Amino acid sequence: GQNIDQPTEMTATEGAIVQINCTYQTSGFNGLFWYQQHAGEAPTFLSYNVLDGLEEKGRFSSFLSRSKGYSYLLLKELQMKDSASYLCAVRDQAGTALIFGKGTTLSVSS
Amino acid sequence: DTAVSQTPKYLVTQMGNDKSIKCEQNLGHDTMYWYKQDSKKFLKIMFSYNNKELIINETVPNRFSPKSPDKAHLNLHINSLELGDSAVYFCASSRQGAEQYFGPGTRLTVT
Repeated sequence: GQNIDQPTEMTATEGAIVQINCTYQTSGFNGLFWYQQHAGEAPTFLSYNVLDGLEEKGRFSSFLSRSKGYSYLLLKELQMKDSASYLCAVRDQAGTALIFGKGTTLSVSS
Repeated sequence: DTAVSQTPKYLVTQMGNDKSIKCEQNLGHDTMYWYKQDSKKFLKIMFSYNNKELIINETVPNRFSPKSPDKAHLNLHINSLELGDSAVYFCASSRQGAEQYFGPGTRLTVT
């Protein structure tokens, strides 16, 4: 079966750091992606992990532990524009389609 | 320059009708996809397609069919529309094994 879990909602204040966790149980694994989706818009690619460890990209970092079926997205120096839904997705065994979690809605307040 | 484009952006139609959504990508990608995002914002794969293989999510009703006239286009045809088909449909594309780029979405409302 395929199961990807993320918290439904999180709140944080401007300038803070927030960590969004994702756990997965899938029949195959060929990489983990994080996407950002603002309301009414398309998902946009943030990061990709296929090996264990941390990938850093500006204010955003993503971590993967394949043995634990766990990833997190770390957002630093939060800005109001970071208020969005963050989607964790696992690429399936065939290496094509993405299996998405239900997304975490992050609200950043001043 | 638009990377992945979809038309129409909004589509309102009645139950039982047949409709199509068009998707085009100018990124030179070899794989294209259709996803459905329901009212709870859950994004679910419907089809993935490259010039060699069509992979269909087994939960997708056969009223839905993808049609690819060439590598840059993957259209979605829907027959006998039902109320439950109301959702946002996203087209996406990628190079083999790379991240996917999504189109702006088509909001389908079936009345």
